[in-house]
Amino acid sequence: DSGVTQTPKHLITATGQRVTLRCSPRSGDLSVYWYQQSLDQGLQFLIQYYNGEERAKGNILERFSAQQFPDLHSELNLSSLELGDSALYFCASSVDRTGSNYGYTFGSGTRLTVV
Amino acid sequence: EDKVVQSPLSLVVHEGDTVTLNCSYEVTNFRSLLWYKQEKKAPTFLFMLTSSGIEKKSGRLSSILDKKELFSILNITATQTGDSAVYLCAVNTGNQFYFGTGTSLTVIP
Repeated sequence: DSGVTQTPKHLITATGQRVTLRCSPRSGDLSVYWYQQSLDQGLQFLIQYYNGEERAKGNILERFSAQQFPDLHSELNLSSLELGDSALYFCASSVDRTGSNYGYTFGSGTRLTVV
Repeated sequence: EDKVVQSPLSLVVHEGDTVTLNCSYEVTNFRSLLWYKQEKKAPTFLFMLTSSGIEKKSGRLSSILDKKELFSILNITATQTGDSAVYLCAVNTGNQFYFGTGTSLTVIP
């Protein structure tokens, strides 16, 4: 157990629907990062929050949004889902703003299947 | 455009073999390079490299960074079936991590 908790583990939903993925960072970590991992593209950075505020944005679609709450857990909302959104979504956390000092700790991921 | 490229994409070896995985990068603001091992779950941290020429070692795994030629290698000696995994390389630019697509290693008994 890495200390980063992601729920649910698996999610199957129909196209056009909306889902919420949840992540609790490791105790003491202030940064939360979201990544999308699909078979053909590897790990793609989506977005980062640090202590409740958005810090960096990657290749995140407009249909996706995220937030980090005062208790530091984060949610990734995916709407108007398409078949191509099927992927493994990882959350990672780090104690610092950039992960430069100690790297990331990853959660075990949420596997999303859009049918 | 910042990018990280890993090679080979996959390899299959017999137990006891030694393998070398490569990671090359082109980024505008290099801070560190990290190696992760991903089995069927979350990637687990192996090494972080920030300085050229200093080898990091953990058991049968070792890694080194060349900041002049912009690459890193991960060596695994005396491979075991438990080494079978995808090995990911990531470069931290201060704003985010850029991941390569990984090298899939399969170790056959």
